[in-house]
Amino acid sequence: KAGVTQTPRYLIKTRGQQVTLSCSPISGHRSVSWYQQTPGQGLQFLFEYFSETQRNKGNFPGRFSGRQFSNSRSEMNVSTLELGDSALYLCASSLGQFANYGYTFGSGTRLTVV
Amino acid sequence: AQSVTQLGSHVSVSEGALVLLRCNYSSSVPPYLFWYVQYPNQGLQLLLKYTTGATLVKGINGFEAEFKKSETSFHLTKPSAHMSDAAEYFCAVSDPGTGNQFYFGTGTSLTVIP
Repeated sequence: KAGVTQTPRYLIKTRGQQVTLSCSPISGHRSVSWYQQTPGQGLQFLFEYFSETQRNKGNFPGRFSGRQFSNSRSEMNVSTLELGDSALYLCASSLGQFANYGYTFGSGTRLTVV
Repeated sequence: AQSVTQLGSHVSVSEGALVLLRCNYSSSVPPYLFWYVQYPNQGLQLLLKYTTGATLVKGINGFEAEFKKSETSFHLTKPSAHMSDAAEYFCAVSDPGTGNQFYFGTGTSLTVIP
C-alpha cells in the first residue's frame, strides 16, 4: 500500500517567486492536512481539506493557499516567497473526517528560499 | 485552543535503560492524543494514539503511553532503549469532533548512549 507521496522532495526558490507543492494521499483517504515545520516554530498547522472543502485554516498569511481535487490529491501554493518561508512542508492524510483515525505523514518537501 | 507541553527538549538515556518522554496538554475535555516519531530528513511516523477506552495504549517498537486525565498527561515510555530509538518525538492532541487539526508539542530529541 503506497504511503503519502509529496513532490518535489527538495526545492530552491528565490524571494518573490511562488511555489506549488503537491501531495498524493493514501488511496481512500479523504482528509489531507498541511503543516509547516521549522526549527524555531516547530510544527504549525496550515490547513485541512476533506472532500475538496477546506475545513480548518491555521494562522498563516493569505500568501499560503491550498486546494484539494476530487481524487483527494492536494496542492499548496505560496506566493511572493519570503526568506522565512524556508521550511519542511509536511502533508498528512487520514481515512476519516475526525482525528481519531490519526494521520499518516509524507516525507515532506524541503523548501529553501534564497 | 489546545496547547501541548513536552518537558525536556533533549533527553539522553543509556542503551537498555528506561525511556520516559513527558507530555502534558491543556484542554477542558479529554482530547485525542498521539505520539509521533521523526527520523532525520523524514516525515512523522505514528507510534501510538489514545482516543477512547483503555488508558494504557501500546504502540510500535515497544513504546507505550498512559492517558492520565487527572494529570492531563500522556507520557511515552519504553522499558529498554535501543540505539535505533534515537530520533525526535512529538506529542500531539486534537479536539474530538472538531476536525483533524493537530496541535503539536515542540518535540523531544532522544539520544541513546551506547
